[in-house]
Amino acid sequence: DAGITQSPRHKVTETGTPVTLRCHQTENHRYMYWYRQDPGHGLRLIHYSYGVKDTDKGEVSDGYSVSRSKTEDFLLTLESATSSQTSVYFCAIRGLAGSSYEQYFGPGTRLTVT
Amino acid sequence: KNEVEQSPQNLTAQEGEFITINCSYSVGISALHWLQQHPGGGIVSLFMLSSGKKKHGRLIATINIQEKHSSLHITASHPRDSAVYICAADALFNYGGSQGNLIFGKGTKLSVKP
Repeated sequence: DAGITQSPRHKVTETGTPVTLRCHQTENHRYMYWYRQDPGHGLRLIHYSYGVKDTDKGEVSDGYSVSRSKTEDFLLTLESATSSQTSVYFCAIRGLAGSSYEQYFGPGTRLTVT
Repeated sequence: KNEVEQSPQNLTAQEGEFITINCSYSVGISALHWLQQHPGGGIVSLFMLSSGKKKHGRLIATINIQEKHSSLHITASHPRDSAVYICAADALFNYGGSQGNLIFGKGTKLSVKP
């Protein structure tokens, strides 16, 4: 157990509403990531963070923003949700396992935008 | 062309069979990850490889850096091995380092029949 949780686990929201997903880690890792998983596309990187207040865009960042004010929390915000953002969202952290880095994934958040 | 390609997309096997899943990539990498995802479940890291071969129980992962190819083998397959197997490349940045931004294959759905 890598000590990573996501909330909420499921959410249904309407088009145009703001949504915030939370990723929380207890491991004090520097790197955190948000991915989305869609049929036919697999997992794709939305945004990542390499420290408090240090974030950068990934492959599919349009329509998403992130914030990291504390090491343990990485927030993903959909400012105005659209149906194309219906997906399963996974948070991940990067931590040392022995002498190499592993990625550990949260349980996922299933978001439906109606 | 995707930067990480997996084959086959779907695989059905009988219990006890030897299984091979292939992954080819076109980017420079610091490491190659193999992940497992059970239906409706989270994502678990199986292996992280930068060279050679790793073994864990009935699972074996190999990588050929020169050919940019990796394989995941399952010996004596069992119905509980039924899952989606995903390879992911930890791509190098221009400066030669890595920030753990993974590029994922689309996954191989494995079904093992009793």
